[in-house]
Amino acid sequence: DADVTQTPRNRITKTGKRIMLECSQTKGHDRMYWYRQDPGLGLRLIYYSFDVKDINKGEISDGYSVSRQAQAKFSLSLESAIPNQTALYFCATSDSGVRTYEQYFGPGTRLTVT
Amino acid sequence: RKEVEQDPGPFNVPEGATVAFNCTYSNSASQSFFWYRQDCRKEPKLLMSVYSSGNEDGRFTAQLNRASQYISLLIRDSKLSDSATYLCVVRLNAGNMLTFGGGTRLMVKP
Repeated sequence: DADVTQTPRNRITKTGKRIMLECSQTKGHDRMYWYRQDPGLGLRLIYYSFDVKDINKGEISDGYSVSRQAQAKFSLSLESAIPNQTALYFCATSDSGVRTYEQYFGPGTRLTVT
Repeated sequence: RKEVEQDPGPFNVPEGATVAFNCTYSNSASQSFFWYRQDCRKEPKLLMSVYSSGNEDGRFTAQLNRASQYISLLIRDSKLSDSATYLCVVRLNAGNMLTFGGGTRLMVKP
């Protein structure tokens, strides 16, 4: 079984709809991240969490919110989806020791907003 | 100016060739550097860290040039399985997040 899972894997939704992307991990890591990837722009950080009670905005948090329900679960919500939120979304985890730079990514969620 | 810039490619090379990618970063205070690999439609995975003295892992060699603010990745004896996008990643310091470049696509042909 994969260590970092994301659901759904693909989603098509309409403008204005609320959507939640979910991430679960079995790696036992404290740190979790949400990124979006657009062609040519690389991965951009949306939100990150260092533990259950810690939530931080990343580079592009506007239009998104997150919830860290447990150490193993970190969900991303789009309150009112818009077409420029069409992208590939990745969840990632890392430990809190010396190798925090090694992030383990989920398989991604391809989101299309029409 | 992007914080981390890469030539998007694609670099098309025959099997067995040697290929090199460069990446430039804008923040001279950056402390840590990495290469991640991303296969088509897959998630990124750490390939290797980049140390100041340069480092090698099998056919892969990473170099850092702090004065010119660039890092490089050299792949020798390219394999078909090396076909992927290579992401240059920079971190300001241990307390900061990773900043990803847009990636360089490599296609190794038979």
